[in-house]
Formats: sequence, structure tokens, C-alpha cells
Amino acid sequence: KAGVTQTPRYLIKTRGQQVTLSCSPISGHRSVSWYQQTPGQGLQFLFEYFSETQRNKGNFPGRFSGRQFSNSRSEMNVSTLELGDSALYLCASSSGTRGSETQYFGPGTRLLVL
Amino acid sequence: GQNIDQPTEMTATEGAIVQINCTYQTSGFNGLFWYQQHAGEAPTFLSYNVLDGLEEKGRFSSFLSRSKGYSYLLLKELQMKDSASYLCAVSSGGYNKLIFGAGTRLAVHP
Repeated sequence: KAGVTQTPRYLIKTRGQQVTLSCSPISGHRSVSWYQQTPGQGLQFLFEYFSETQRNKGNFPGRFSGRQFSNSRSEMNVSTLELGDSALYLCASSSGTRGSETQYFGPGTRLLVL
Repeated sequence: GQNIDQPTEMTATEGAIVQINCTYQTSGFNGLFWYQQHAGEAPTFLSYNVLDGLEEKGRFSSFLSRSKGYSYLLLKELQMKDSASYLCAVSSGGYNKLIFGAGTRLAVHP
């Protein structure tokens, strides 16, 4: 099976802009979770989607949003970018049928905000 | 609050055994995961514990004590390619929400 794919892999934006990141899960997986990884804060949970519904949410401001499509692909949007949003954004997929499952990570999108 | 602690850095010699400890305090517990992350790459799944005891998978073993809020990852017959960060993560607070420790950077020397 193909793994989790994320596009784009690298992105440079300026403060105030918005950005959309895309994630395609492993075939058959219906849950997609998003994480932010920074040197200072490590890996932090953003939100999780299953069957086009957000089931779980972390402690991030409303500027961070997401959605999931009927084919389980997911997008994450960050509006009004701040310098502190520079990070590696990882998505992970799982079957979604149990509360705690092994999540398989994509290669990530590295976002730099100038 | 939610807190997961693991050592920041460890060094070991090729062929040796190393144990990476993780202690956690979380408001809920649905299982504990270990991931390996090489620099610039995505985390890859190593092990999962939900019940107390030892889970063995080849050169890697993971142990869990829920009453003590404690886990360790044991790596045997270390190889140079094992140089990476090792992330301890607790599933807590609902569907597929992983709370990660800061990671332990392991350097394996010849």
C-alpha cells in the first residue's frame, strides 16, 4: 500500500498570508490527524477528522482549521500567518474505527513564515 | 495537566543495549506509543502498549506500568542506523489524540 502523502513538501509564506496544506491517507484509512512540530514545543496535536467530521481538537487558535473530503483526503488551513507558525506540519492516518490506533505519518510539509 | 517526560539525549555504542525511559501524567490513558524519527523525516511507528507488561518486536521491546505512569523502550544490538529521536506518546483525550514527549535523541557510536 502507498503511504500517507502530503503536498506541498515545502512552502514559504509571509506574515498575514494564508496557507492550505493537503494530506492523502493510506488507502482504506478514514481518520486523518494533523500535528505541528517545532523545535521548542515538539509535536502537538491540532485536530482529527473522520468521515468528514472533526472528532477531536487540540489547543490551537481558530486561525487553524481543517476539513476532510468524502475520499478521506484532508486539508488544513492556516489564516493570517504569524512567524511562530513556522513548523513542520505532519498528518497521520489510521482506520478510525477505535479510539486509540496506530497512526501512520506522512513526510510533512515544512512551512516557513517570513 | 498533561506531562510526558523523557531524557533529552543519550549515547550508546554499536552492538550494545540501551533503555529509553518515559514517565507520563495525563488526564486519560488509551495506550502508549513509541515512534522513531530520523532527522528531517516523518515519525515511524515502533510499538504500542495498552496493558502492563513487555511487548517484544525483534530488536525492540517496550514495557508499560500503568500504575506507575512509566514506560521504557529497549533497543538491543544497536546499529548505527538506530541513531534517531525516539518519541514517547500517550493516547489521551479522545479519538486519535496523541500527546508527545519532547523526544530522546539517541546517538550510536562505533
